[in-house]
Amino acid sequence: AQSVSQHNHHVILSEAASLELGCNYSYGGTVNLFWYVQYPGQHLQLLLKYFSGDPLVKGIKGFEAEFIKSKFSFNLRKPSVQWSDTAEYFCAVIPSGTYKYIFGTGTRLKVLA
Amino acid sequence: NAGVTQTPKFRVLKTGQSMTLLCAQDMNHEYMYWYRQDPGMGLRLIHYSVGEGTTAKGEVPDGYNVSRLKKQNFLLGLESAAPSQTSVYFCASKTGSYEQYFGPGTRLTVT
Repeated sequence: AQSVSQHNHHVILSEAASLELGCNYSYGGTVNLFWYVQYPGQHLQLLLKYFSGDPLVKGIKGFEAEFIKSKFSFNLRKPSVQWSDTAEYFCAVIPSGTYKYIFGTGTRLKVLA
Repeated sequence: NAGVTQTPKFRVLKTGQSMTLLCAQDMNHEYMYWYRQDPGMGLRLIHYSVGEGTTAKGEVPDGYNVSRLKKQNFLLGLESAAPSQTSVYFCASKTGSYEQYFGPGTRLTVT
């Protein structure tokens, strides 16, 4: 079955530290990839997305992600986190030509001021 | 332009009661989705719809029914609520660009 794995369930960082959240998926065909963020008490918002082209994509608030097809990975990065980045982050995949998204279980990030 | 709205925001049910959650979008999106979010399990797809009058099962459809009588509305029904259905329910819609827009969520507690 198709799945998305986010290996880090909880991450605690100090402000200005660098962030990398892992995301791996299991699907052999073409996929579209997303990272969503959920701030406390809010709904999910799109951080960034990859459909095709340059495998390094930049999103809002200084986030970026790199698609490595050979590793089935789409890791999220930010060079220097801020307290306001405290949130839960979800990786999602949609195989091309389908309508159903597959979400990872999420990574809860806490940034200490 | 309100985006995706959900009604109600909170609800407490007793086991065996029924209720309907309403999702409405004003973006003329074709596709609509219902998810449940539980701690440590991420978002799981309950049902989805690819257009008015059509619905399909997702990953966890048991105990839920849906209807899409109008393009802008997607209703999620619980016929006989169970404690296992205590969760936060999110509705989402999208265009062909694959980006989903989410509603604010409904927090449901079944006692």
